[in-house]
Order: sequence, then structure tokens, then C-alpha cells
Amino acid sequence: EAGVAQSPRYKIIEKRQSVAFWCNPISGHATLYWYQQILGQGPKLLIQFQNNGVVDDSQLPKDRFSAERLKGVDSTLKIQPAKLEDSAVYLCASSLDSVGGHGYTFGSGTRLTVV
Amino acid sequence: AQSVTQLGSHVSVSEGALVLLRCNYSSSVPPYLFWYVQYPNQGLQLLLKYTTGATLVKGINGFEAEFKKSETSFHLTKPSAHMSDAAEYFCAVSKGGNKLTFGGGTRVLVKP
Repeated sequence: EAGVAQSPRYKIIEKRQSVAFWCNPISGHATLYWYQQILGQGPKLLIQFQNNGVVDDSQLPKDRFSAERLKGVDSTLKIQPAKLEDSAVYLCASSLDSVGGHGYTFGSGTRLTVV
Repeated sequence: AQSVTQLGSHVSVSEGALVLLRCNYSSSVPPYLFWYVQYPNQGLQLLLKYTTGATLVKGINGFEAEFKKSETSFHLTKPSAHMSDAAEYFCAVSKGGNKLTFGGGTRVLVKP
């Protein structure tokens, strides 16, 4: 079974620029998540999709971050404009359903550096 | 709101020694509990999880964890550390909806 694919692996941008990350979940996984992992911290949920609908985006800084999951498969996360504090690893994960107890499968992440 | 506390951001063990990583959670109802491992520049890999049933859970790579409701704990252990166990370990909880709340992580260093 193919894993969760993310691209790019690394990205360096200047502050105030925009950036986009892409995630392709495991085939058939209805639920998709984006997490932000700042260096030295545990991952923090940014947004959760169930198919193409948003379940939870309470921690998403909506003034600069946006995410979509068209057709309920791939997803993109965008930051515009980026700030220095957005430097982090952005992890995408997917799971078979939204019922608790099923572990996620995580992608390898995109490491963003904002200079 | 749920929270997860991992005692010790860094743990150093000798090869062959016991590995013990502590995790305590706060939740109004018994949650689902997870341990993940993260190797450098990689995503998170599930080590083990507790949902219901037996409170002692065995995972991959010789790790196990015990859910103790009275102590709201889910500590991770491995009897004998191996050099390949050097990584960062995250405890996480979920209370329905599959949203994971992570602890701050514990980085394990294994000394030869």
C-alpha cells in the first residue's frame, strides 16, 4: 500500500511570500489532516477534512492559512503571506474514517523555512 | 480540552538498558491513546495504540505501554534499548473524531 505522499520535501521562502504544500492521502482514506510541527514541539492540528468537507479548522490561522480538498482526495495547504513563525514541518496524515481509535498514517512532511 | 504531558524532553539510556518514557493525559472520559516514533527528517510512525480491552499493549520494535486509568498514564517501555531506538517519541490522545492531541515529545539518546 502506498503511503501518504507530500511535496515538496523542503521549501525556503522569504517572509511575506506565499507557499503551497500538496498532499495525496492513502487511497480510500476519507479523513485527511494537516498538522504543524514547530521545532521541539509536538504536532498541532491545523485542519481536518472528512471527504471534501471541513470537520475542524479551529486552530487554523485563517488570516493567512487556507486549505482545500477538492474531490475528497488530494489536498493543498497555502500560506499567504508567510511569517517567520511559520517555519515548521507541515505533516499531512490520513485515516480510514473519523471514528476514534484508528491510527493515522503520516506523510514525511514538508519542512518550511521562512527567512 | 484534552492535554498530554510527557515528562522529560530528553532521555539518555545505555544500550541494553530499560527505556521508560512517561506520558500523562487529562481527559474527562477515557480516551484512545497512542505512541508514535519520529526518526530524523521523517514522518510519524505508529508504535502502538490503546482503544479498549487489555490495558497492556504491545507494539512494534519490542515496545509496550500500559494504560492506567487511575493514574491517567500511558507510559512506554522497552526492556533493552538498541542503538536504532534513538529517535523522538510522542504520546497522543484522541477522544472521538480522530483528532490527535500530542505531547511535547521525548528525544531518546542511546549510548553505546
